[in-house]
Amino acid sequence: ETGVTQTPRHLVMGMTNKKSLKCEQHLGHNAMYWYKQSAKKPLELMFVYNFKEQTENNSVPSRFSPECPNSSHLFLHLHTLQPEDSALYLCASSLGQSSYNEQFFGPGTRLTVL
Amino acid sequence: AQKVTQAQTEISVVEKEDVTLDCVYETRDTTYYLFWYKQPPSGELVFLIRRNSFDEQNEISGRYSWNFQKSTSSFNFTITASQVVDSAVYFCALRGGSQGNLIFGKGTKLSVKP
Repeated sequence: ETGVTQTPRHLVMGMTNKKSLKCEQHLGHNAMYWYKQSAKKPLELMFVYNFKEQTENNSVPSRFSPECPNSSHLFLHLHTLQPEDSALYLCASSLGQSSYNEQFFGPGTRLTVL
Repeated sequence: AQKVTQAQTEISVVEKEDVTLDCVYETRDTTYYLFWYKQPPSGELVFLIRRNSFDEQNEISGRYSWNFQKSTSSFNFTITASQVVDSAVYFCALRGGSQGNLIFGKGTKLSVKP
């Protein structure tokens, strides 16, 4: 495996379900990110982790709970979501959190909340 | 406040035409970085280029070229002799300061028809 991988690629869940999205990077990076991409809206940064520590929570509702057990893995735990949370969730990583480090993205998880 | 504007929502061209995607940004940071990403239908954002605010040299990479002009706060992207495989959504993004968040434009959907 190379680059940034995400599983599952597609997920359909009810509002009362609990599910988790997984991201893994094979690039030796230290920073990892979750983004939300909704139709007709710019990509929105959700969370940033640097060396496993959360450094940014962009006012994300608590029904989204991130977890970063090590620099290579990032999870997004989901519970009691709303239909408006349906979107493409993208994970990214970068060598460091500095602005000049380009971010490398995974293919995303297409989430549908019924 | 930081902002990236991609005024062109959709562009359609015929193969072999040249096409320019516009990007205008706003920032108060003196040091910042500009990026272009490509998002094919598969969903993964592919990094194309990074430019720092102190380097206004234009860059060419194969059929791709970028024109960075600080005087007009623009970072435009030109594809020469477009191909069907260039069909994708292209995002311009800005990251300011030492560890600013990556701010994306809304993207331009490019369709290249045979």
